[in-house]
Amino acid sequence: QKEVEQNSGPLSVPEGAIASLNCTYSDRGSQSFFWYRQYSGKSPELIMFIYSNGDKEDGRFTAQLNKASQYVSLLIRDSQPSDSATYLCAGYMDSNYQLIWGAGTKLIIKP
Amino acid sequence: SQTIHQWPATLVQPVGSPLSLECTVEGTSNPNLYWYRQAAGRGLQLLFYSVGIGQISSEVPQNLSASRPQDRQFILSSKKLLLSDSGFYLCAWSVAGGPLSYNEQFFGPGTRLTVL
Repeated sequence: QKEVEQNSGPLSVPEGAIASLNCTYSDRGSQSFFWYRQYSGKSPELIMFIYSNGDKEDGRFTAQLNKASQYVSLLIRDSQPSDSATYLCAGYMDSNYQLIWGAGTKLIIKP
Repeated sequence: SQTIHQWPATLVQPVGSPLSLECTVEGTSNPNLYWYRQAAGRGLQLLFYSVGIGQISSEVPQNLSASRPQDRQFILSSKKLLLSDSGFYLCAWSVAGGPLSYNEQFFGPGTRLTVL
């Protein structure tokens, strides 16, 4: 069973600090990973994707992928209250057009 | 640019009644299409996906069905709703083929279904 696991949280971070969200996956053949943000009552929106080992930066967001450890993370710098949401990690692990989804981590940024 | 529409936004239905949710995508051709359900406080459960007109793959056996009568239209149906069908229904699309980065999925606004 191919799985993506996330700590459900909530993860509480003070405003202005770095929020670190983590995700592990079971399939070593995995290819690309995606981070989505979902506000309460809304649909998920894509933040960024990563498919190469290392870091990928986009504004205040940095995605990190370590294929040897089967680990993906998302760092949010200078956290703002508007970053409070549930963050979903998803992995594309084979060629059947599907993403495997984690259950999400709830992030709370405290002013 | 591409946009995805879903309707209705909210729906309250009695147990045993039929269901029809519609999703349409604009601005792209031959997309992969997906139906997900999200129970309150839970993750996304893939229900159906489609890689072309009339091609539907089911992931979870249940009383729901899906159809794709046109390239950019995806419909989720049920003949008789159960209480357990309540949830947030999301339609998504992705680009068919292309480089790995194109496997990202883009979601519609969702339909919140309550079965009473």
